[in-house]
Amino acid sequence: GENVEQHPSTLSVQEGDSAVIKCTYSDSASNYFPWYKQELGKRPQLIIDIRSNVGEKKDQRIAVTLNKTAKHFSLHITETQPEDSAVYFCAASSYTGNQFYFGTGTSLTVIP
Amino acid sequence: DSGVTQTPKHLITATGQRVTLRCSPRSGDLSVYWYQQSLDQGLQFLIHYYNGEERAKGNILERFSAQQFPDLHSELNLSSLELGDSALYFCASSPRQATNEKLFFGSGTQLSVL
Repeated sequence: GENVEQHPSTLSVQEGDSAVIKCTYSDSASNYFPWYKQELGKRPQLIIDIRSNVGEKKDQRIAVTLNKTAKHFSLHITETQPEDSAVYFCAASSYTGNQFYFGTGTSLTVIP
Repeated sequence: DSGVTQTPKHLITATGQRVTLRCSPRSGDLSVYWYQQSLDQGLQFLIHYYNGEERAKGNILERFSAQQFPDLHSELNLSSLELGDSALYFCASSPRQATNEKLFFGSGTQLSVL
């Protein structure tokens, strides 16, 4: 089955700086890659997603890039703010699969 | 609000007991997923149902079972509870069987086994 690895497990940045979280996947059949943000004690919320026919997608301060050849995708957060502090999960799935494969999460702390 | 409803929000029980967690998916969604999240841990996939039928099983213990009813709501049954079962249990839903669609999570049920 699919195996998703996520790095780093923890990340601290100064407010205003950029943050990058990287994930790799193993199954070339995976074609959908969502990112979730989870604040403490809350539900994971979908913040951005990308499909395999697209190399990059941007939504305001958040962007995701996908390299199908290398089987990795990354979340980029620019101009970080304290409210960006949370745990971020990447995931991979395919049209023919029956589950989403989640990374182990990155705890992001934005220092004011 | 994701549109996925989970009840109860909190559940406190004793070891050896049995509990039932309930999930109502977003209107129109046919797939329901259950996840377990222990303290400071990731999302552990338990089981996926589509339109009443089991589609995939993850690391779900034999003491746990689930089902999806004709009205598409789902229940996760946890029996012979142990201290280690204490966790946040999430339900998530998506429109169809295919897993390359947006997945929306409920607010979770916090289970505490004492």
